[in-house]
Amino acid sequence: NAGVTQTPKFQVLKTGQSMTLQCAQDMNHEYMSWYRQDPGMGLRLIHYSVGAGITDQGEVPNGYNVSRSTTEDFPLRLLSAAPSQTSVYFCASSYSYAGNYGYTFGSGTRLTVV
Amino acid sequence: GQQVMQIPQYQHVQEGEDFTTYCNSSTTLSNIQWYKQRPGGHPVFLIQLVKSGEVKKQKRLTFQFGEAKKNSSLHITATQTTDVGTYFCAGKGSNDYKLSFGAGTTVTVRA
Repeated sequence: NAGVTQTPKFQVLKTGQSMTLQCAQDMNHEYMSWYRQDPGMGLRLIHYSVGAGITDQGEVPNGYNVSRSTTEDFPLRLLSAAPSQTSVYFCASSYSYAGNYGYTFGSGTRLTVV
Repeated sequence: GQQVMQIPQYQHVQEGEDFTTYCNSSTTLSNIQWYKQRPGGHPVFLIQLVKSGEVKKQKRLTFQFGEAKKNSSLHITATQTTDVGTYFCAGKGSNDYKLSFGAGTTVTVRA
């Protein structure tokens, strides 16, 4: 039981490049989400999904796309990387979308955009 | 939208002392969760509070949910070096799927 697996752990991009951050969970969790963490700003929600085929925007969705074709996977795509997207990205999942269960976080992706 | 505010942002504690971190919401919450993130790590779920006035303990950690379900606190007694990290509260509104996270309280411990 691996929990939530994020890849890659580190990434450096040039401005304008695109890439996909991978997130997979093996707990059959219904709810999955992406957060970015910046110093002094806590965790800000980018996008979330309440089930396969269903996604919605969070607080800071601009510049990011997501899809949820399976229960297990929830990739985050950066369309055209900008220095403002330099951050630590966490994927989190929960048993239920109702928010009554704790979140399990992945180990994070540290992204630098130069 | 719902906002969750946490104070203080930083807490410097002498080993063995107690401290408290506070979480306040602009709206009534259906539940509140607490997480701990060690330096360089990822947030780890600690506990969830659901009932008005609820108090839960985990060893030296005491969690409380306010009567109005708009605030919460985490009190740590006899702080140890293992308590170092950032503690986040996260609240969910009644009609919301999503948790809103506070900015966190970063705790450092002086031996």
